[in-house]
Amino acid sequence: DQQVKQNSPSLSVQEGRISILNCDYTNSMFDYFLWYKKYPAEGPTFLISISSIKDKNEDGRFTVFLNKSAKHLSLHIVPSQPGDSAVYFCAASEGGSEKLVFGKGMKLTVNP
Amino acid sequence: GAVVSQHPSWVICKSGTSVKIECRSLDFQATTMFWYRQFPKQSLMLMATSNEGSKATYEQGVEKDKFLINHASLTLSTLTVTSAHPEDSSFYICSASPVHNYGYTFGSGTRLTVV
Repeated sequence: DQQVKQNSPSLSVQEGRISILNCDYTNSMFDYFLWYKKYPAEGPTFLISISSIKDKNEDGRFTVFLNKSAKHLSLHIVPSQPGDSAVYFCAASEGGSEKLVFGKGMKLTVNP
Repeated sequence: GAVVSQHPSWVICKSGTSVKIECRSLDFQATTMFWYRQFPKQSLMLMATSNEGSKATYEQGVEKDKFLINHASLTLSTLTVTSAHPEDSSFYICSASPVHNYGYTFGSGTRLTVV
């Protein structure tokens, strides 16, 4: 039973356009959400996070939106750059736990 | 800051042998480290939580006698895959955080191939 779901396995966008990566979760106890970027044969790199007390967090080109009622979050990258091409993982934790539950990941390709 | 070093980056071993993977926090102390496993095209699955000075906490379905975890110091955790079999071939990643800030730093991962 997947508690964190990234239903689209891949996304392809043009350089300069917006990339929107979606993530859904089923556990209503999750209160902290993170996005990681991962290149092949490397460990994930932390991108941005959001607490359940917020509905938006922005850091440069990256913005994460949280819709608690829909149990949905999304990562917006704008403008997208070819260097953003990677696999993006959504992760969640609950109640101050350090354990992270990951989605399956989504491969983003930004075309020049 | 917050660098996690994982070694080796890849290893090939014969069935039945044991392999040790090291995870070090280079510039901070970590009382807790985490070990993940990633199968091709699948999510990162938490295997166990490594606790400095005490026994590791394993996730359901993970054989603790097969995946031995030792966290002997505040900067080093090791994962030993004992009596490795081809089905243990996978990408293993560790993570740690200096404080409860949730911006976990991951090691670079270890590609294990058992032949």
